[in-house]
Amino acid sequence: AQSVTQLDSQVPVFEEAPVELRCNYSSSVSVYLFWYVQYPNQGLQLLLKYLSGSTLVKSINGFEAEFNKSQTSFHLRKPSVHISDTAEYFCAVSKHGSSNTGKLIFGQGTTLQVKP
Amino acid sequence: DAGVIQSPRHEVTEMGQEVTLRCKPISGHNSLFWYRQTMMRGLELLIYFNNNVPIDDSGMPEDRFSAKMPNASFSTLKIQPSEPRDSAVYFCASSRDGGYGYTFGSGTRLTVV
Repeated sequence: AQSVTQLDSQVPVFEEAPVELRCNYSSSVSVYLFWYVQYPNQGLQLLLKYLSGSTLVKSINGFEAEFNKSQTSFHLRKPSVHISDTAEYFCAVSKHGSSNTGKLIFGQGTTLQVKP
Repeated sequence: DAGVIQSPRHEVTEMGQEVTLRCKPISGHNSLFWYRQTMMRGLELLIYFNNNVPIDDSGMPEDRFSAKMPNASFSTLKIQPSEPRDSAVYFCASSRDGGYGYTFGSGTRLTVV
């Protein structure tokens, strides 16, 4: 079985500062990894994903995450945050392979609070 | 692509009433998931379907909850009778096989008074 741990429940940061949201997973099989973002009063949106290939993946709004197999981590980073990045961020994992029905295991979420 | 469509967006009902939440997945997606989100418990998987068949309903809290997927383009989550502790945001999500990630709907905010 897979599991996901997001190590910080809340991360306060000042605008334009860098941020890292931590995610560790455990799995006995190969996995796909995802970060979702939920803005206030909205549904979850896919931010970025790692399926295969380059271990560094990037989103269109400046976030990036690096898959580290040896450390079983998939931390999310942004070099300079904006007020508009204030949201809850969820890390998720699914089993690798076509036999997977698509079920995702989510972490508990990290609230990123960007202060002016 | 219209995305995953949920209705209604908001529902306020009295305790004891029946509530039906609806979801239309993305065309071509063959897995559908119902989640509940609350401040206390976070995001909870209630049930999921693959090719219209319920695969895992272990997250359904009680017999008051039931879900159906009569065809590939429609699913319902029903609560009968509803209770105040059922108040939450209910999300539907769909995906295709292979574990490539979900697309979520905008959710239904349910308030039971």
